[in-house]
Amino acid sequence: AQSVAQPEDQVNVAEGNPLTVKCTYSVSGNPYLFWYVQYPNRGLQFLLKYITGDNLVKGSYGFEAEFNKSQTSFHLKKPSALVSDSALYFCAVRDSGTYKYIFGTGTRLKVLA
Amino acid sequence: ETGVTQTPRHLVMGMTNKKSLKCEQHLGHNAMYWYKQSAKKPLELMFVYSLEERVENNSVPSRFSPECPNSSHLFLHLHTLQPEDSALYLCASSPRGRENSPLHFGNGTRLTVT
Repeated sequence: AQSVAQPEDQVNVAEGNPLTVKCTYSVSGNPYLFWYVQYPNRGLQFLLKYITGDNLVKGSYGFEAEFNKSQTSFHLKKPSALVSDSALYFCAVRDSGTYKYIFGTGTRLKVLA
Repeated sequence: ETGVTQTPRHLVMGMTNKKSLKCEQHLGHNAMYWYKQSAKKPLELMFVYSLEERVENNSVPSRFSPECPNSSHLFLHLHTLQPEDSALYLCASSPRGRENSPLHFGNGTRLTVT
């Protein structure tokens, strides 16, 4: 069965510093991986996805993610964090051959001014 | 505007009430989802509809009853709920048959059961 794991409940980073939010996955077949962000009292917003091709995927708001097949990881990154990036971040994988999208438990990112 | 609209945004109901949550999407998608988001728990997939046919039902209690009258509308009918059903209920949609497409979410209905 497909699964994703987000090992950190919370990540704190100073404004202007690079940030990384970790995600590891377990899939059979080709992985379809996604990152979402959730602001308070909002639904999840799509940030970026990995399907095939380049291991570095660029997405919205300056975010990017690095796909690493050997480490089965798909970490979210941003070179310079903003206070407004503070939110809840979810990694997800599409369960191949079904309609299911399986989400991690979420990582709360706090960017400190 | 997310393209997926959920109403109401907030709902407080007693354990004996009957209410419905509504979701509407204007993205031309034909798969629709209900997720439950509780504090400190992973998102729980409740139901999936594809072309108005229910294709996933994740052992959800019968006090939750979904309805999908067409590919643009999805309802979640609620009756005799329990306090532990208090949560954020999220609707989402995607194009059917395209596994590389992301889900598009509404802003959710915050449900409180008293």
